[in-house]
Amino acid sequence: NAGVMQNPRHLVRRRGQEARLRCSPMKGHSHVYWYRQLPEEGLKFMVYLQKENIIDESGMPKERFSAEFPKEGPSILRIQQVVRGDSAAYFCASSPPRGGSGNTIYFGEGSWLTVV
Amino acid sequence: AQTVTQSQPEMSVQEAETVTLSCTYDTSESDYYLFWYKQPPSRQMILVIRQEAYKQQNATENRFSVNFQKAAKSFSLKISDSQLGDAAMYFCAYRGGSNYKLTFGKGTLLTVNP
Repeated sequence: NAGVMQNPRHLVRRRGQEARLRCSPMKGHSHVYWYRQLPEEGLKFMVYLQKENIIDESGMPKERFSAEFPKEGPSILRIQQVVRGDSAAYFCASSPPRGGSGNTIYFGEGSWLTVV
Repeated sequence: AQTVTQSQPEMSVQEAETVTLSCTYDTSESDYYLFWYKQPPSRQMILVIRQEAYKQQNATENRFSVNFQKAAKSFSLKISDSQLGDAAMYFCAYRGGSNYKLTFGKGTLLTVNP
């Protein structure tokens, strides 16, 4: 059973460009979460999605950031017009539907965005 | 809002010795889950151990065990027979029973000396 798959692992963007990060959840998992880790910090919640639905985006910056989890394909975190402060590690996590596996969330290996 | 505090930014331990990492949390909920995640130099987040608040018995996973003190809102991680591969950043995390968000502490960097 493959784990949570994220790509790319490392991404370099110039200021003003767009960054697109992809996440495929574990098999059987229908809930996807995105977290951001700034340097020297713990992870901070950004958004929670189920297939075709954004359940909670309270941790997402109001501008430039968006996320989706389409019916087919991976979840995508999109950052438009990136700035240096967006440089961080972005972790995707997944969990099964409620009632399965006891609420444990499994993380991917992270995508490291560097804005130059 | 829930908060998670790790008061030890760095810890070190000799190989084969035992080390305890501290974590306290603040919540008004009675049903919740607590986790320890390990982040080695590869930066992957690896689940080490989890504890359900309704269980009085402390969770154990091989060399890793917790001391869960619900009244004191304390959740420490004990690593026995430390190995070089245990060197990593360790994060304590909280998740409410009716919630899906994980709240993380700032982490403790563990160094294992040969």
